[in-house]
Amino acid sequence: DGGITQSPKYLFRKEGQNVTLSCEQNLNHDAMYWYRQDPGQGLRLIYYSQIVNDFQKGDIAEGYSVSREKKESFPLTVTSAQKNPTAFYLCASSSPVDRVTYGYTFGSGTRLTVV
Amino acid sequence: QKEVEQDPGPLSVPEGAIVSLNCTYSNSAFQYFMWYRQYSRKGPELLMYTYSSGNKEDGRFTAQVDKSSKYISLFIRDSQPSDSATYLCAMRDYGQNFVFGPGTRLSVLP
Repeated sequence: DGGITQSPKYLFRKEGQNVTLSCEQNLNHDAMYWYRQDPGQGLRLIYYSQIVNDFQKGDIAEGYSVSREKKESFPLTVTSAQKNPTAFYLCASSSPVDRVTYGYTFGSGTRLTVV
Repeated sequence: QKEVEQDPGPLSVPEGAIVSLNCTYSNSAFQYFMWYRQYSRKGPELLMYTYSSGNKEDGRFTAQVDKSSKYISLFIRDSQPSDSATYLCAMRDYGQNFVFGPGTRLSVLP
């Protein structure tokens, strides 16, 4: 079955640590996105990538970094510079046509907690 | 004013009730309107999609768009406990601007 796989499902980070969230898709989608979801605030765009080896900052990119070395993979690193990283992180993908009509396909999310 | 606002909820209804979920928006450039359903600890999944104004029906679900009022609605008929989830409206223009509402949490009580 085609889809998006995010791992791990739950992640705990100590203060000052960098952590990397994995996102893999086998939908052959060109574009991939990272969103952060906080209660009552909806989805906020962190980074997005429309092609391999290229990515752009979203609305809340500070304290995060990404790479897009393969079409299938778009990992997100939450750095120690991110002051309030506890949140639910969602990865999504879309194809140029589907994005117009069907929006995005989402993964199941990673819940990151700072301990 | 936020670009997209949504009834905050939470909303609790008895099984079999008709549910109305609503969003308002401020950007008249939005042309595509979507509703996503998100179960607890899961990613959102696309439920309904409409383009411009009008109604669209899919089984127990009806999506309604009124661009003149900048108002969209999702109606759920004969609601079921399995409909208990958070519902997110989303909308986009012809370009790259894709915005989600904050979501309304719905509980359908058996």
